[in-house]
Amino acid sequence: QVQLQESGPGLVKPSQTLSLTCTVSGGSVSSYYWSWIRQPPGKGLEWIGYIYYSGNSNYNPSLRSRVTMSVDTTKNQFSLRLSSVTAADTAVYYCARCRDNGSGGCYWYFDLWGRGTLVTVSS
Amino acid sequence: DIQMTQSPSSVSASVGDRVTITCRASQGIFSWLAWYQQKPGKVPKLLIYAASNLQSGVPSRFSGSGSGTDFTLTINTLQPEDFATYYCQQTNSFPLTFGGGTKVEIK
Repeated sequence: QVQLQESGPGLVKPSQTLSLTCTVSGGSVSSYYWSWIRQPPGKGLEWIGYIYYSGNSNYNPSLRSRVTMSVDTTKNQFSLRLSSVTAADTAVYYCARCRDNGSGGCYWYFDLWGRGTLVTVSS
Repeated sequence: DIQMTQSPSSVSASVGDRVTITCRASQGIFSWLAWYQQKPGKVPKLLIYAASNLQSGVPSRFSGSGSGTDFTLTINTLQPEDFATYYCQQTNSFPLTFGGGTKVEIK
């Protein structure tokens, strides 16, 4: 079955760029819409944005100026970059799959999640 | 942005109880609402989509209802494995937004 696995540094210094990758196994990144979602310790969930293999993307306006997402179909991966991080960006970051609507689109809820990776922003 | 407000923020209940969680959207979202369950240290799990559709494999004691701005998640006959935090999420428009969560605790 399809599985997602996040990878990347667990510690990032303030003002630097957070970079994470999600590897899709058991399926193709060239299907579905893929999202990043984060959860600060002890807090709720925040949608960061989505990327489609075509490059189509949409980011949360609260983070848009700092976010870039990309897809690498040759590696079956998609990635997140978040620039100019602060302590407020400390969170568990999840990659997730959007439920396909059967017409090349998405229902915008998430039926498959990676295990999550904790990223701490600290000097 | 559409704000999602859940109530209560926490509820204490016993095994066998019926629990109801409410989610209110700041504007109408038709039936574009999902519910997730998250246990401590675990990944959110999709329970309900399109307000009332049970995700495959989810026990039938979970049910969802509502449309427009007001939605409910009901857990009938609470089981020990149901103690967790529950989140609603609107899927109507960008940015996608989640409720603040409702923690179901053991009484």
